[in-house]
Amino acid sequence: AQSVAQPEDQVNVAEGNPLTVKCTYSVSGNPYLFWYVQYPNRGLQFLLKYITGDNLVKGSYGFEAEFNKSQTSFHLKKPSALVSDSALYFCAVRGPDFNKFYFGSGTKLNVKP
Amino acid sequence: DGGITQSPKYLFRKEGQNVTLSCEQNLNHDAMYWYRQDPGQGLRLIYYSQIVNDFQKGDIAEGYSVSREKKESFPLTVTSAQKNPTAFYLCASSIGRVASGANVLTFGAGSRLTVL
Repeated sequence: AQSVAQPEDQVNVAEGNPLTVKCTYSVSGNPYLFWYVQYPNRGLQFLLKYITGDNLVKGSYGFEAEFNKSQTSFHLKKPSALVSDSALYFCAVRGPDFNKFYFGSGTKLNVKP
Repeated sequence: DGGITQSPKYLFRKEGQNVTLSCEQNLNHDAMYWYRQDPGQGLRLIYYSQIVNDFQKGDIAEGYSVSREKKESFPLTVTSAQKNPTAFYLCASSIGRVASGANVLTFGAGSRLTVL
């Protein structure tokens, strides 16, 4: 079965500090991994994806994610957090049925001034 | 601009009533999806459609129904059989039918349903 785990309900970080939002996955076959961000009462916005190739993927708004096959992880990172990064972040994996996507439970990121 | 339009943004329903949520896309995407979002539970797939006149149940299809008569439209009906319908509903679409990196979900702004 395909699944995604986000072990932290909430991450708190001070503005200017690096941030990490964790994600681990379980999938049959090659993983297609995604990060999305959601602001209050809005839909999800695509940040970045890993399909193949370089394990460090760069995305929108200065975010990047590191794919680690041995640890089955795909952690989201940013070198310097902004208050405006405060939002709900979702990790997702696309399963063998390439039209089905599986989401984690989400991690609320709080960036304090 | 291309995108997904969901309506209404907010909807109130009395118990026992069916309601229909609209989802329209002008992205020329083949695949469309409905997700339900509850606090702390992430997104759960209700139904998805890979092509016109075809759709499949997701993980929590009971109490919901859909149709896909046009490529652009994928309405969701929340029936009276859905025991706990109060939630945030998200429609999404993707290119579909290709196992490539281009197959990324694009989301609408969501519809919040409250049962009174």
